[in-house]
Amino acid sequence: GENVEQHPSTLSVQEGDSAVIKCTYSDSASNYFPWYKQELGKRPQLIIDIRSNVGEKKDQRIAVTLNKTAKHFSLHITETQPEDSAVYFCAADPTTLTGNQFYFGTGTSLTVIP
Amino acid sequence: ETGVTQSPTHLIKTRGQQVTLRCSSQSGHNTVSWYQQALGQGPQFIFQYYREEENGRGNFPPRFSGLQFPNYSSELNVNALELDDSALYLCASSAPPKGEETQYFGPGTRLLVL
Repeated sequence: GENVEQHPSTLSVQEGDSAVIKCTYSDSASNYFPWYKQELGKRPQLIIDIRSNVGEKKDQRIAVTLNKTAKHFSLHITETQPEDSAVYFCAADPTTLTGNQFYFGTGTSLTVIP
Repeated sequence: ETGVTQSPTHLIKTRGQQVTLRCSSQSGHNTVSWYQQALGQGPQFIFQYYREEENGRGNFPPRFSGLQFPNYSSELNVNALELDDSALYLCASSAPPKGEETQYFGPGTRLLVL
């Protein structure tokens, strides 16, 4: 089955700096890669996603890049703010028909220091 | 907030008991996926129900079983509870075909096994 690895496990940045989280996946059939943000005690919330036919996607301060050949994808957050502090999870989905059978990484705890 | 609801919100059981968790999908969504999130870990895919049948399963033993009803709501049943089953159980609904819409997580059920 699919195996997703995520690094780093913890990340501290100064407010205004950039943060980068990296993930690798093992199943070449994976074709959809969402990123979720989870605040303490709350459900995961989708922040951005990318499909395998796209190399990069950006939404305001958040961007995701995908390298299918190397089987890795990354989340980039620019101009970080204290409210960006949370745990971030990457995921990969190898299904075709229904989709949404996600294999998650182990998470990155991001702390933005004011 | 999404339209996915789960019940109960919290539950305490003892080893060897059985538990049933419930999920109501968002309106129009006919696919429900279940995930287990242990403390400090990423969600792990348990199984998915599509049109009332199991459609994909992660690495979980048969004592984890489920159902989906004609209104697309779903149940997760866990028999012979073990201490390691203590976790947040998340369900997520979606509407295939893949590519049309991503899935939305419910608030979760926090299960504690003593």
